[in-house]
Amino acid sequence: EIVMTQSPLSLPVTPGEPASISCRSSQSLLHSSGYYYLDWYLQKPGQSPQLLIYMHSNRAYGVPDRFSGSGSGTDFTLKISRVEAEDVGVYYCMQTLQGRTFGGGTKVEI
Amino acid sequence: QVQLQGSGPGLVEPSETLSLTCTVSGGSINNYYWSWVRRPPGKGLEWIGYVHHSGLTNYSPSLESRVTMSVDMSKNQFSLKLTSVTAADTAVYYCARLNPLRSLGSYYYHAMDVWGQGTTVTVSS
Repeated sequence: EIVMTQSPLSLPVTPGEPASISCRSSQSLLHSSGYYYLDWYLQKPGQSPQLLIYMHSNRAYGVPDRFSGSGSGTDFTLKISRVEAEDVGVYYCMQTLQGRTFGGGTKVEI
Repeated sequence: QVQLQGSGPGLVEPSETLSLTCTVSGGSINNYYWSWVRRPPGKGLEWIGYVHHSGLTNYSPSLESRVTMSVDMSKNQFSLKLTSVTAADTAVYYCARLNPLRSLGSYYYHAMDVWGQGTTVTVSS
């Protein structure tokens, strides 16, 4: 089973400033198609999770362009170019190469 | 647009079977994969598995021996059964749609783009 490790566990942020979250997998997430099989989700307080990024770097429909995904191999990053107050919540990476496995989550708070 | 509504008992006794249903409205259950995810109190998200309308399934290895998922196309519903539950199965259970977002030639990349509101299940006597 592929293990996903996120850091940091908690991330204090300042509105208007950038922020980034790291995600590491126990093996490469490169699929034979040439794409990386990794998604990012955000669970805002009191809400269900929502899809932010799929296939490593593709923003889901309606997701603001201040969110971006990058990385390769086993190391991936979610970046927020300018944090807004509505971005608080718990962020999860999830591998989709072999079944699905979530990272432990990163709590983002103002 | 498509909406998902989870339902089921909020309290299950230890060693019994947890049964949840997710009703799909605003769209067809056909031609999609449907997933279950849970979040235990104070912990992160855990993927449970997914089911296709054809009956194809894929379960988390850690839960595979206790999980069954199925689809009822006549009711536009899919379901989750988890046997021999313990307190560790106490969680908010979410149903979600796996949408084919990107064509990769002969197959598609799927991601969970629509989620239900979550059903709280407590395992206790």
